[in-house]
Amino acid sequence: AQTVTQSQPEMSVQEAETVTLSCTYDTSESDYYLFWYKQPPSRQMILVIRQEAYKQQNATENRFSVNFQKAAKSFSLKISDSQLGDAAMYFCAYRSRAGKSTFGDGTTLTVKP
Amino acid sequence: SAVISQKPSRDICQRGTSLTIQCQVDSQVTMMFWYRQQPGQSLTLIATANQGSEATYESGFVIDKFPISRPNLTFSTLTVSNMSPEDSSIYLCSVEGRNYGYTFGSGTRLTVV
Repeated sequence: AQTVTQSQPEMSVQEAETVTLSCTYDTSESDYYLFWYKQPPSRQMILVIRQEAYKQQNATENRFSVNFQKAAKSFSLKISDSQLGDAAMYFCAYRSRAGKSTFGDGTTLTVKP
Repeated sequence: SAVISQKPSRDICQRGTSLTIQCQVDSQVTMMFWYRQQPGQSLTLIATANQGSEATYESGFVIDKFPISRPNLTFSTLTVSNMSPEDSSIYLCSVEGRNYGYTFGSGTRLTVV
């Protein structure tokens, strides 16, 4: 079974600075999808960014980018120019080819003004 | 991406009673997923609901406790039966988009007293 590990339960960043959230996963599959989701306090969980395992190019969505290292099974999220609205719990998720998704335990990000 | 309306947003229930949570999607989807999330923690998949067939339950979850209805391609309900304080949690429904990322409902915060 796949596992997803987020080793940082909490992170903090100064507004306008850059922060990187870590995620590693374990799988024997070669074809899969990886995601980062954001869950603001008492608000809906939303998809931030996705990465297809067969693509070597790292995904980017505005201030959010990933560092996907397939051989190392690492999938970190970089948030540039952090904003107060980025404060949330961030979940890394793995979707297998068969369609089953596994979520990490989450990282709570605090943004300091 | 799909829009999901989830009701109720929160409820406080007496132990021994049941609560039915509804999710309405604005487009037809094959599978709907039901998750449980303890506040500040990760998501645990309860079951996958396909239209026209029995839901598929994950280990530790049984149909008698969490019956699921999926009468059509846009609607599903999850019932939490014979509730105990241990059932206090956030319940989320989700659907998978074309890019395999999830869209989540806004969640139901359940407190059992």
